[in-house]
Amino acid sequence: GENVEQHPSTLSVQEGDSAVIKCTYSDSASNYFPWYKQELGKRPQLIIDIRSNVGEKKDQRIAVTLNKTAKHFSLHITETQPEDSAVYFCAARPGSGYSTLTFGKGTMLLVSP
Amino acid sequence: GAVVSQHPSWVICKSGTSVKIECRSLDFQATTMFWYRQFPKQSLMLMATSNEGSKATYEQGVEKDKFLINHASLTLSTLTVTSAHPEDSSFYICSALRTDEAFFGQGTRLTVV
Repeated sequence: GENVEQHPSTLSVQEGDSAVIKCTYSDSASNYFPWYKQELGKRPQLIIDIRSNVGEKKDQRIAVTLNKTAKHFSLHITETQPEDSAVYFCAARPGSGYSTLTFGKGTMLLVSP
Repeated sequence: GAVVSQHPSWVICKSGTSVKIECRSLDFQATTMFWYRQFPKQSLMLMATSNEGSKATYEQGVEKDKFLINHASLTLSTLTVTSAHPEDSSFYICSALRTDEAFFGQGTRLTVV
């Protein structure tokens, strides 16, 4: 099955700095890669996703890049703000439709004012 | 976005009793729902895939007789923790897929005393 590795497990940055979280996956058939943000005690929320036919996607201060050859994808957050502090999960899914997501172990991002 | 509602948000029960957790998709039909368990500061661990009208598919190491899953309709899946013990205390969260995107319930904090 799919295996997703996520690094780092914790990341501390100063407000205004950039943050990068990296994930690798094992199943070359995976073609959908979402990122979720989970604030303390709340449900995970989708923040951005990318499909295997695209190399990069951007939405305001967040962007995701995908390298299919190397089987890794990354989340980039620019101009970080304290409200960006949360746990971020990457995930991968092979195929389409209703197959399950395999999640990385999560990265706790702390943005200090 | 789509809404998935999970109930209850938290529950405290005595050892040996059973607890039922409901997961509802409020504005879309979900033929497949997923049940996860999340330990503090850890990732989402898939427990089982719930399929409407058929038996659930359990992940390796998850006891079928302990974690009973019923997906009786296109909008409701239930997870029953039977004969609960303190080690079952955890955060349980469901998700449902609408096309490619996974929507999560708000989670249930189970404490077994």
